[in-house]
Amino acid sequence: KQEVTQIPAALSVPEGENLVLNCSFTDSAIYNLQWFRQDPGKGLTSLLLIQSSQREQTSGRLNASLDKSSGRSTLYIAASQPGDSATYLCAAPQGAGGTSYGKLTFGQGTILTVHP
Amino acid sequence: ETGVTQSPTHLIKTRGQQVTLRCSSQSGHNTVSWYQQALGQGPQFIFQYYREEENGRGNFPPRFSGLQFPNYSSELNVNALELDDSALYLCASSLNRNINEKLFFGSGTQLSVL
Repeated sequence: KQEVTQIPAALSVPEGENLVLNCSFTDSAIYNLQWFRQDPGKGLTSLLLIQSSQREQTSGRLNASLDKSSGRSTLYIAASQPGDSATYLCAAPQGAGGTSYGKLTFGQGTILTVHP
Repeated sequence: ETGVTQSPTHLIKTRGQQVTLRCSSQSGHNTVSWYQQALGQGPQFIFQYYREEENGRGNFPPRFSGLQFPNYSSELNVNALELDDSALYLCASSLNRNINEKLFFGSGTQLSVL
């Protein structure tokens, strides 16, 4: 059974800082790992999807890495801005096969606050 | 902004009642997954529908049931509501069941059970 853990649970930083969010998972036989953003009371927005054959993905100021052997992923946010304040969730499929599509196990999230 | 819409946005029910939540996926998306997100937790997988058939279920009791219609819209039904059913219910859709395809989530229905 896949289990996903995120550290830290909450993070408060001044604007402009570079920061790292951590995600660990127990079943390393995964096809991919995804990072999502969630604003309060809202749905999830997919930020990055890292396929198992890749080691990292980048989108703008975001960079996510995946190390299957150690069961870890990190999300790096460069030059943080107040608009980055949100909850960041990582999610891994519930298994290795194609039948795991769309069936994700989420971590509890990291609540990020970037203050001016 | 995704094309996944959910209704209603908020709902208040009392314990023992039944509720139906609705999800309209993006045009042509034939796979819908439902998730429950309790306050302060990550979403938990309830079940998935693919071309009107249930295609996998999480650790939820049978009083959680669903439907997918020919136009690929979907419903989540919960019978005999319990206080612990209070949560944000999210649906997610996608066009193909490609393992590396992103999911598109709706904004959710906030259900409060009193």
